[in-house]
Amino acid sequence: DVKVTQSSRYLVKRTGEKVFLECVQDMDHENMFWYRQDPGLGLRLIYFSYDVKMKEKGDIPEGYSVSREKKERFSLILESASTNQTSMYLCASSLNFPAGRQFFGPGTRLTVL
Amino acid sequence: DAKTTQPNSMESNEEEPVHLPCNHSTISGTDYIHWYRQLPSQGPEYVIHGLTSNVNNRMASLAIAEDRKSSTLILHRATLRDAAVYYCILRDVGYGNKLVFGAGTILRVKS
Repeated sequence: DVKVTQSSRYLVKRTGEKVFLECVQDMDHENMFWYRQDPGLGLRLIYFSYDVKMKEKGDIPEGYSVSREKKERFSLILESASTNQTSMYLCASSLNFPAGRQFFGPGTRLTVL
Repeated sequence: DAKTTQPNSMESNEEEPVHLPCNHSTISGTDYIHWYRQLPSQGPEYVIHGLTSNVNNRMASLAIAEDRKSSTLILHRATLRDAAVYYCILRDVGYGNKLVFGAGTILRVKS
């Protein structure tokens, strides 16, 4: 089975801190994604990457950056955390074909105080 | 991105079939219909996908209308573990691998 792991299930940070969320997949997938999920707003795409060192903005990239130095690892960076970034963060990976089926990690619940 | 419309919530009895509808009247010829579900406190998981023909797998069946403007996810015998939010998503193969999640349908299963 494909496994997507995220570095923490729960994280508490303070306003202004730099935050790193790590995601690792073990199936050699080309594509990796970062979403955030908030009540009433559903899952929204922050950034995605279709190859090493390649990235594209999703629907809500403001306040975030990403890094993909190795194929299996995709990091989400909050340069200066703010309280409105308190959310559930979900990482996913996929092949291009045949269906582009995405495999999700368990999520990281981030609280910014 | 083409949009989908799903009921906010549905309820089912355990061991009975469940039909979860999805409308996608603006679907394009290159849009695949995907279904994911999200169990409580977990990330979403893939359920099934199709383009034009009905599809079956071990989890569910997908019935696609002839004009492709609607589809139905069928759980043949609902169990308590099927209680989840079900998302119907259109994915354009010509647009990378982005998935745009809507609000989904909350499925409640009664014992």
